[in-house]
Amino acid sequence: AQSVTQPDIHITVSEGASLELRCNYSYGATPYLFWYVQSPGQGLQLLLKYFSGDTLVQGIKGFEAEFKRSQSSFNLRKPSVHWSDAAEYFCAVGARGSQGNLIFGKGTKLSVKP
Amino acid sequence: ETGVTQSPTHLIKTRGQQVTLRCSSQSGHNTVSWYQQALGQGPQFIFQYYREEENGRGNFPPRFSGLQFPNYSSELNVNALELDDSALYLCASSGPGQGTTGELFFGEGSRLTVL
Repeated sequence: AQSVTQPDIHITVSEGASLELRCNYSYGATPYLFWYVQSPGQGLQLLLKYFSGDTLVQGIKGFEAEFKRSQSSFNLRKPSVHWSDAAEYFCAVGARGSQGNLIFGKGTKLSVKP
Repeated sequence: ETGVTQSPTHLIKTRGQQVTLRCSSQSGHNTVSWYQQALGQGPQFIFQYYREEENGRGNFPPRFSGLQFPNYSSELNVNALELDDSALYLCASSGPGQGTTGELFFGEGSRLTVL
């Protein structure tokens, strides 16, 4: 079965600390992987994507993610968190020809302590 | 560049009623996808429209239907509303080629409450 697991429902980090949000996927085809962020009352904004090639991808707002095929993981990282990063983060997987059908995880809510 | 816009932002309906949600795609985007996001969950794919036809569908019953218009805007219709239909409904558009890769651009959603 195709699925995305985000093991951490809620994470709290101090401002300036590093961040890693975990994502594991199960998908039959070669996956396209995405991280989206959702601020309260807002839609989802694409942070970064992986289709192929270099397994370390850079995104907006200083985020990066690393694709590890052997671990079926696509973890999101940021070296220094800012208070404005507080939001909910969703990992998603799709494939070429999936016709917009992304499978999303349940999300990880990030809180940032001053 | 105008992003994806959705209307209404909030609405309340009662069980058994019907609802229509509207979406204007981002400029230059020809594909629209609809997602349902229940409270505390990730978005779930309902369907996608391309060239005014349904181009893919998730695990939703036929009472969820849609339309796409020549200007690429779209409607989501839900008949015979049930309590479990209460959710945030997200519209996402994508440009040529992006619809097949899943690179989606989302609106802020329409929050539907069914009483």
